[in-house]
Amino acid sequence: GAVVSQHPSWVICKSGTSVKIECRSLDFQATTMFWYRQFPKQSLMLMATSNEGSKATYEQGVEKDKFLINHASLTLSTLTVTSAHPEDSSFYICSARDIRGLAGRLRDEQFFGPGTRLTVL
Amino acid sequence: SQQGEEDPQALSIQEGENATMNCSYKTSINNLQWYRQNSGRGLVHLILIRSNEREKHSGRLRVTLDTSKKSSSLLITASRAADTASYFCATDELGGNQFYFGTGTSLTVIP
Repeated sequence: GAVVSQHPSWVICKSGTSVKIECRSLDFQATTMFWYRQFPKQSLMLMATSNEGSKATYEQGVEKDKFLINHASLTLSTLTVTSAHPEDSSFYICSARDIRGLAGRLRDEQFFGPGTRLTVL
Repeated sequence: SQQGEEDPQALSIQEGENATMNCSYKTSINNLQWYRQNSGRGLVHLILIRSNEREKHSGRLRVTLDTSKKSSSLLITASRAADTASYFCATDELGGNQFYFGTGTSLTVIP
């Protein structure tokens, strides 16, 4: 299967600082990447859909100015949590998808990163 | 919200018993997938069932899909303590490319 990595795996920051999380598809080109947030003992909530070379599409209730997403290449998407506060502490998971089904890969496969745990003090 | 719902929220069984969890969703789908997540860890893909399929097996897993009722079930047979985890369904929307996860079922298998 395809591999998606996230960096960092765990970050602790002070309230008010900004944190950048990277999501990389290591062996395939991800035309679309997704960012999810998961609070303890809860399910994954889709935050935004990131298409390479275009603006991200945010789900209802997600502040686009607070969660900046950049998908500048077919293998990298970044999520920046700006002016982080303790309530932003969560597990952030990205996933990547090759919706064009290049290189023989089925378009309905979605590959998840291992997640980034953000703790804001 | 487009999030699906799962029941039960929590399930506790003895090792060797079968575990059944259900997922209901709201939209038309291309496929539905089941994932497993151990506490504080990433997701593990278990099985995918397409909208034109009604049942699928993989090892000790059996998944059913009823698109008329917009529901799916995951059966784990002969459960083991190592099956203890949270299980989520995720739907791939028809006409879109987003995944929406269900609320999850927390399974505890007692040795």
